[in-house]
Formats: sequence, structure tokens, C-alpha cells
Amino acid sequence: GAGVSQSPSNKVTEKGKDVELRCDPISGHTALYWYRQSLGQGLEFLIYFQGNSAPDKSGLPSDRFSAERTGGSVSTLTIQRTQQEDSAVYLCASSLVGSATGVSPLHFGNGTRLTVT
Amino acid sequence: GESVGLHLPTLSVQEGDNSIINCAYSNSASDYFIWYKQESGKGPQFIIDIRSNMDKRQGQRVTVLLNKTVKHLSLQIAATQPGDSAVYFCAEQGGSEKLVFGKGTKLTVNP
Repeated sequence: GAGVSQSPSNKVTEKGKDVELRCDPISGHTALYWYRQSLGQGLEFLIYFQGNSAPDKSGLPSDRFSAERTGGSVSTLTIQRTQQEDSAVYLCASSLVGSATGVSPLHFGNGTRLTVT
Repeated sequence: GESVGLHLPTLSVQEGDNSIINCAYSNSASDYFIWYKQESGKGPQFIIDIRSNMDKRQGQRVTVLLNKTVKHLSLQIAATQPGDSAVYFCAEQGGSEKLVFGKGTKLTVNP
């Protein structure tokens, strides 16, 4: 596997429905990040995983948002009762280490474009 | 608080010219900085990084300059090509694990 893989690439859902977004990081990368990017905007941090634990979930906008990571690999971001303001591109990134032990650049997937109608 | 911004939202250059994209940051505790390039429909792509113990770092056709005194970061692209057209983001990291991104500068290279 080359890079970070995200699925689906596009998701259209009705307001009020739940959605699950998936991220497959680069093999061996211990750190995993979720960001959100609204149209024409910068990246907004959501949550960070080191292994399976999430030391920083400060960016999750509300309790409708949750994320988990299993086996130190795949992560899912779940949005419950979606709202129109949730429409954005959700980007996942992974890195070899977190800044606690050193720095290494984040490698991003191509994102999931979520549209809530 | 942490924030990263850019001086110019758009930049238009002629093919072959050098491009300079600027970034201001506000967190003096930041110790790691990265430039990313994002093409339409794709995720950000790593270009170059620099740690706070350096003031200059060079890559292939790109140079990042860091001025900690005025909290300023710049990306220089030599001999800009049409394929360089994209949105460029600077990002900073310091103290916490997360990268804080600016809003981006859209670079357009005219043939």
C-alpha cells in the first residue's frame, strides 16, 4: 500500500442520517489525524490518535462526532444525525511518529467529500 | 492562541519566474513548520519542512525560510512551472501533537 486511503471518496446523505468515514493509514504509521476542510478554507483539526488512543480530541465540533481506531491501523470517523453544516471534505493523515517523540510530516489521503442535503 | 495566516490569498506568476509565498504565525512556541501543496480534489501533499533550530532549508526547486524574530515563514519556488499551480498551506506545530494550518495561498502559473 502506497499512501493513506480513505473511503468513500464521496458521500451524499440526508440530514439526520448517520455516516461513517474510513481511513487506512500508511502501514507502520503510529499517529493518525482527522481534519476537516470546508470549501475554500484551511484545514480544521478534529482528532489525533497515537496507536489506538486519542490523546487530543479537542477539535471534534460536537458530541455528534466520534472516532475510533482499532489495531493501531484503520480509523473510522462517525457523524451522527448529520446537519448541513457538516458538509465538507474530511481528510485523514498519518505520520510515523507524533511530536512527543520526534517530528515527521503528515501524509494525507485524498479525503471524503461529504454532502448533507 | 495558536493561529497561522498568510499575507496574500492569491498569487499569479509567469512560467519560469520565481514564486514567494509568505506565512505569518503567532505561536512563538512552535518548533516545527511544514509547507503543503494541495491540488484540486486531492489531499495536501508534503513539500518541505523546517525545525525552529534552522532558518533555511532547501529542497528540489523549493526553499523554506524561517524568521523566528518576526514569526514569518516563506516558501520560495524556483523556475515556477504550470504544474506548481495549486493552493499552498503553511502549518505549524508546537507543544501539542496537532498541526495548525493557515487558510492557504492559491498560486496560478501563467504560461
